[in-house]
Amino acid sequence: DIQMTQSPSTLSASVGDRVTITCRASQSISSWLAWYQQKPGKAPKLLIYKASSLESGVPSRFSGSGSGTEFTLTISSLQPDDFATYYCQQYNSYWITFGQGTRLEIK
Amino acid sequence: QLQLQESGPGLVKPSETLSLTCTVSGGSISSSSYYWGWIRQPPGKGLEWIGSIYYSGSTYYNPSLKSRVTISVDTSKNQFSLKLSSVTAADTAVYYCARQEYYYDSTNWFDPWGQGTLVTVSS
Repeated sequence: DIQMTQSPSTLSASVGDRVTITCRASQSISSWLAWYQQKPGKAPKLLIYKASSLESGVPSRFSGSGSGTEFTLTISSLQPDDFATYYCQQYNSYWITFGQGTRLEIK
Repeated sequence: QLQLQESGPGLVKPSETLSLTCTVSGGSISSSSYYWGWIRQPPGKGLEWIGSIYYSGSTYYNPSLKSRVTISVDTSKNQFSLKLSSVTAADTAVYYCARQEYYYDSTNWFDPWGQGTLVTVSS
């Protein structure tokens, strides 16, 4: 299986900050990567697919980049609604795997 | 818009079989553009893909669970189902169903997701 490792596991930030979450794959996955946001008690919500394509309706302050084995999710200016847990997911192979998650908390 | 809803028992005894159904509304499960997947999340932990199915019945399973998992589809009811056998406490989780994009002969990201249902394995 392709292992996905996110860093950091927890990130403390303030409203208005620019934050970046990193996701590394154990082997090259080209651009076959998605990002999700999950709030407590809710299902994950798709933010980004194909590494950098913004899902319809997702605010433009979210952006994704990267290819191969290293990817980033950037939030340009944190809003109160953005405090949540973020997961990456690779779909380079039929064996889908997720990162362990990054919890974004209020400083 | 498309909605998915999981249903099934919230409590299953150890060694028994967990059975869940996902009902799709607002769209057809028989679309050629999608697979339909199951993902689970143990309390306080991350996401684990269980498996996915096409309307034709073609399936992909997580190899770590494959020996215990069966996913089936009922296009007449616009539903797909999950069976997980020989459950233990480690199978306690919120179980989600989701639509999975399918193109260029590849399964991709999940969107949208159902709200999830907690299944507890306990005697």
